Amino acid sequence: EAEVAQSPRYKITEKSQAVAFWCDPISGHATLYWYRQILGQGPELLVQFQDESVVDDSQLPKDRFSAERLKGVDSTLKIQPAELGDSAMYLCASSLARELVVAYNEQFFGPGTRLTVL
Amino acid sequence: SQQGEEDPQALSIQEGENATMNCSYKTSINNLQWYRQNSGRGLVHLILIRSNEREKHSGRLRVTLDTSKKSSSLLITASRAADTASYFCAAWDYYSTLTFGKGTMLLVSP
Repeated sequence: EAEVAQSPRYKITEKSQAVAFWCDPISGHATLYWYRQILGQGPELLVQFQDESVVDDSQLPKDRFSAERLKGVDSTLKIQPAELGDSAMYLCASSLARELVVAYNEQFFGPGTRLTVL
Repeated sequence: SQQGEEDPQALSIQEGENATMNCSYKTSINNLQWYRQNSGRGLVHLILIRSNEREKHSGRLRVTLDTSKKSSSLLITASRAADTASYFCAAWDYYSTLTFGKGTMLLVSP
């Protein structure tokens, strides 16, 4: 069964360092999402891609976070410099839908990257 | 900001009992989805109910939606220890954004 892949699974870094997370969505999925999930909370959307284009990055702290999906397939989320408050689970999800407004949009999630900033 | 608010925050039951979780949301939605998350893992889609539907079943899951009250409930019947997880509702609005609630932690004891 096709799955969303993420790496690394765990990352420990010191504040002010740069970190990068990688996501490979399910083949053929046009839409890719990055979420941040703080312990005890639900996931919050950071950025959404439709193919290689960003369609929503309104919640992405752009002074330190960046995301790209250059060929419309896999994606990288970067934090530079990392801060203590960035400690969280970073989840990637993908969905098949191409249209922005769709009646059905099940998202398939990867296992996540657990980031700890010391 | 989080759209959905689950209630209760935590629920502890015995195997075989039913578990009911509630979710309230704020704005008009296209559909509402429920996801399960096992400890430290990614989320798994359970069921979707469209805004023009009132009830939906999938195996031991029953979801209801009341758009007039902006609320939904998830019922898990005959619970099993393997159902232990966090459950999140997620509202899909007309701007193509899926917004999650804070979740309900369910503990099913053998």
